[in-house]
Amino acid sequence: GESVGLHLPTLSVQEGDNSIINCAYSNSASDYFIWYKQESGKGPQFIIDIRSNMDKRQGQRVTVLLNKTVKHLSLQIAATQPGDSAVYFCAEKANSKLTFGKGITLSVRP
Amino acid sequence: DTGVSQNPRHKITKRGQNVTFRCDPISEHNRLYWYRQTLGQGPEFLTYFQNEAQLEKSRLLSDRFSAERPKGSFSTLEIQRTEQGDSAMYLCASSPLWDQPQHFGDGTRLSIL
Repeated sequence: GESVGLHLPTLSVQEGDNSIINCAYSNSASDYFIWYKQESGKGPQFIIDIRSNMDKRQGQRVTVLLNKTVKHLSLQIAATQPGDSAVYFCAEKANSKLTFGKGITLSVRP
Repeated sequence: DTGVSQNPRHKITKRGQNVTFRCDPISEHNRLYWYRQTLGQGPEFLTYFQNEAQLEKSRLLSDRFSAERPKGSFSTLEIQRTEQGDSAMYLCASSPLWDQPQHFGDGTRLSIL
């Protein structure tokens, strides 16, 4: 079946370091991808998106890279801060709905 | 606050009871989505509306579930004859157009006793 998945369940980084969160997707028909951050007790919060006609997009402290050849998506967070600690989801959009992966927990060490 | 609003935030009910949740999307967002999320998992799509029309329903949406968006603004999700397996976080999201990000509310957490 088609799925969106994350390679690692948890990621621990030192405050100030850069974080890289990876995601694999399998639906070649997906043409839009989004990264969300979810804190405990809250809904997913939009971070950044990218369309399939792009391979890189930058925001404030975040960069998303898309490699359609290997169906791989990554989120880079520069100078990781304690407030970045959360669960991160990648999501792909095909047809009318988003399909989410299971999520990866980012833990920032002081 | 002009974000997506969901009520109630928490709902505890006995098995077999009916429950109804409400979602108020960001104003002027044509599309409204419902998702279900269980612990440790990503949200799973349930259904979505474009204005008042319900355009797609997931196989997860059994006959006990019904969603409405009568005036193309707020939406309700009703679960009849609740079962233990219905315990989850129910999330609502909205977006203005097809290829723009969905913005989520903070969800309604349903607990079935």
